[in-house]
Amino acid sequence: SAVISQKPSRDICQRGTSLTIQCQVDSQVTMMFWYRQQPGQSLTLIATANQGSEATYESGFVIDKFPISRPNLTFSTLTVSNMSPEDSSIYLCSVDPLPRDRKETQYFGPGTRLLVL
Amino acid sequence: QKEVEQNSGPLSVPEGAIASLNCTYSDRGSQSFFWYRQYSGKSPELIMSIYSNGDKEDGRFTAQLNKASQYVSLLIRDSQPSDSATYLCAVKRGRRALTFGSGTRLQVQP
Repeated sequence: SAVISQKPSRDICQRGTSLTIQCQVDSQVTMMFWYRQQPGQSLTLIATANQGSEATYESGFVIDKFPISRPNLTFSTLTVSNMSPEDSSIYLCSVDPLPRDRKETQYFGPGTRLLVL
Repeated sequence: QKEVEQNSGPLSVPEGAIASLNCTYSDRGSQSFFWYRQYSGKSPELIMSIYSNGDKEDGRFTAQLNKASQYVSLLIRDSQPSDSATYLCAVKRGRRALTFGSGTRLQVQP
């Protein structure tokens, strides 16, 4: 498995501002993903963070609202821009490490709890 | 039709009983299947993965996969109050991201 950390763990922000969430992995991983979990809901994929190229966004999510960086194989950031109360969610970083047994799997960071007032 | 379907529950079982959680998926190209446990306020924790038809056992947990029926299940034997959580079924196709069901809330009554 991989050890994943996220910063900040939680934040309270004013509407109209932006927040950048950092995800750090203790080993190089090929695939990194960002998910959102709204209150009482399941996880929704925002985008796949591609190293050295633009992120791949899912339907309903756009780069202007959720810009993502992936400068190397251990680090990624997600920015939530021009926030509104509807952005209040848990944001989760997830990785699919290159497995020794070639079996796909995915692990999650501890999450960033965001409240927008 | 949702890509991954689960009964939202709550599923209530007495302590010591077997809890049975079910999941169906629509993408026949799905290759990897997972069960995650999520406690309130925490991130999902991987508890079982299964990649081929049949049963896979790990301690008190057994995952079952039937690709022909597009069905995945999780059995928890000797359920404990500490097993009370939301259980998320997820499927994966190649290196694509996981697709999650809506989760089943399990309550184990002491």
